[in-house]
Amino acid sequence: DGGITQSPKYLFRKEGQNVTLSCEQNLNHDAMYWYRQDPGQGLRLIYYSQIVNDFQKGDIAEGYSVSREKKESFPLTVTSAQKNPTAFYLCASRLAGKNIQYFGAGTRLSVL
Amino acid sequence: AQRVTQPEKLLSVFKGAPVELKCNYSYSGSPELFWYVQYSRQRLQLLLRHISRESIKGFTADLNKGETSFHLKKPFAQEEDSAMYYCALSGRGSGYSTLTFGKGTMLLVSP
Repeated sequence: DGGITQSPKYLFRKEGQNVTLSCEQNLNHDAMYWYRQDPGQGLRLIYYSQIVNDFQKGDIAEGYSVSREKKESFPLTVTSAQKNPTAFYLCASRLAGKNIQYFGAGTRLSVL
Repeated sequence: AQRVTQPEKLLSVFKGAPVELKCNYSYSGSPELFWYVQYSRQRLQLLLRHISRESIKGFTADLNKGETSFHLKKPFAQEEDSAMYYCALSGRGSGYSTLTFGKGTMLLVSP
């Protein structure tokens, strides 16, 4: 186990506040992903990055932002523009040329 | 657009009974199909992928391009199979770099 570390495990956001979720991987994977998991909705892709300093929007990118300054790190910021941020957030990574994604343990975000 | 449909939110069976979790997809092209599983308090993990054509923990899944289905089957369910199962698709449109997930099916195996 391990390899992909998400922190914190639980996070609370106040009204109008931006919060950042951390995702670090030591698998030397090239691509990294952020998903949002809601009950009955499955996993929906927020953002992904295939190489350093480059990232693409997923299906539900509005209200979120990311950066990819280092290969091993892909932080997700939930901005105040995201009106319904309460969810379980999953980070994943993938080695280039291998179509298997490996997942972190997740961060549960709640609104105070 | 690509889409994955898992028609059952919950499937409840008794131990030893056969199990079939349904997955249908919509994609114009040659997709790659996967089943991921999330056991209680564990990470989401790959169970199997269609190109491997292997059996994992007694589960198999065959890609039926005519019916656009990738149903997951096991002849005799075990209590430890209780988990959330997600079917997922990867397509040429994204260079096979992203996954589209279904909404998931919760499998409950009772003793």
